[in-house]
Amino acid sequence: RKEVEQDPGPFNVPEGATVAFNCTYSNSASQSFFWYRQDCRKEPKLLMSVYSSGNEDGRFTAQLNRASQYISLLIRDSKLSDSATYLCVVGNAGNMLTFGGGTRLMVKP
Amino acid sequence: GAVVSQHPSRVICKSGTSVKIECRSLDFQATTMFWYRQFPKQSLMLMATSNEGSKATYEQGVEKDKFLINHASLTLSTLTVTSAHPEDSSFYICSANREPEKLFFGSGTQLSVL
Repeated sequence: RKEVEQDPGPFNVPEGATVAFNCTYSNSASQSFFWYRQDCRKEPKLLMSVYSSGNEDGRFTAQLNRASQYISLLIRDSKLSDSATYLCVVGNAGNMLTFGGGTRLMVKP
Repeated sequence: GAVVSQHPSRVICKSGTSVKIECRSLDFQATTMFWYRQFPKQSLMLMATSNEGSKATYEQGVEKDKFLINHASLTLSTLTVTSAHPEDSSFYICSANREPEKLFFGSGTQLSVL
């Protein structure tokens, strides 16, 4: 079983749609959680950290359920520019990051 | 601006040659840097943790004699792919931690071995 699992997609959605990505992780001792965005052949860029209380940044909402070891990302009112691969990332001691396989999103006009 | 600088961005080389990739932390010191590899349509996989002034820590399955890591200063780590072969063709990317923010990534190096 992979340490961090994501549905690879692709998710093909029209502009303006709401889309949700899910992620599960296997290490219950994981300490930090993030969503990164990666465009093709580019470095990942931090989209947002994920907290147990849930957090929102504009059109993006992230949630963490430690009991179920489950992380989610919700994107509202999708834009064409949201097309990318979204990486679920789990951090352990010493800033060791484990990346999920990524979920590819394609937003179409 | 960039927090972590990685060079070169793209390398095309012949099989059997060695390739060096540099990762620099800009305006901060990084005692630890990380090297990842990403094959097409796959996620980033941690190769090794580069520790300033000591030996790198390699992940299982990564050959330390094949992928030489040097972290001689607090702002520079290098990854050398020795005797590169076509199967080493991949996207290599480094990262460094700058407190109190999160990890920052270099822009990556696309290696193509002919």
